[in-house]
Amino acid sequence: GENVEQHPSTLSVQEGDSAVIKCTYSDSASNYFPWYKQELGKGPQLIIDIRSNVGEKKDQRIAVTLNKTAKHFSLHITETQPEDSAVYFCAASTGDKLIFGTGTRLQVFP
Amino acid sequence: DVKVTQSSRYLVKRTGEKVFLECVQDMDHENMFWYRQDPGLGLRLIYFSYDVKMKEKGDIPEGYSVSREKKERFSLILESASTNQTSMYLCASRPFPNQPQHFGDGTRLSIL
Repeated sequence: GENVEQHPSTLSVQEGDSAVIKCTYSDSASNYFPWYKQELGKGPQLIIDIRSNVGEKKDQRIAVTLNKTAKHFSLHITETQPEDSAVYFCAASTGDKLIFGTGTRLQVFP
Repeated sequence: DVKVTQSSRYLVKRTGEKVFLECVQDMDHENMFWYRQDPGLGLRLIYFSYDVKMKEKGDIPEGYSVSREKKERFSLILESASTNQTSMYLCASRPFPNQPQHFGDGTRLSIL
């Protein structure tokens, strides 16, 4: 079945710097790749998603890139702010179930 | 905005008890899901449902069952709670496959 690996498990950056989180997936049939942000005491919230017919998608300071050949996708956050501090999860789906990565704890220091 | 509501934020139960976790969504979504979240393991799918009275096993269904009598409500049942079921439980819903899932804020369950 599908397997999703996510790196790094923790990431600390200075406010204003960029942060990059990377995921790889195993099932070449996967066609939907969402990213979720989970703040303390809350459930995961969708922040951006990408489908397999698109290589890159941007929403303000957040962007996601997809390399189908290498089966990699990445989350890029520019101009990080303290409120970006949270746990981020990637996921992959063939249309049925979502398979999640193990999460990245991002800390943004003022 | 989609609202997924889980009835309890925190729950403490004893081993051997039958435990019910309730989830309600207000967007008429067809699909609903139960996950458990453990440190270092991410979110793992327990059960899901594509429609009323339908249920499918996820990746870790052992020790759990579910009920979906109405479209908006999806219940997770621990038939005989054990300490290894201490975890954060998350419910989610989506309109149909390949659409974003929307999550509740979770129930932190402790089995003593």
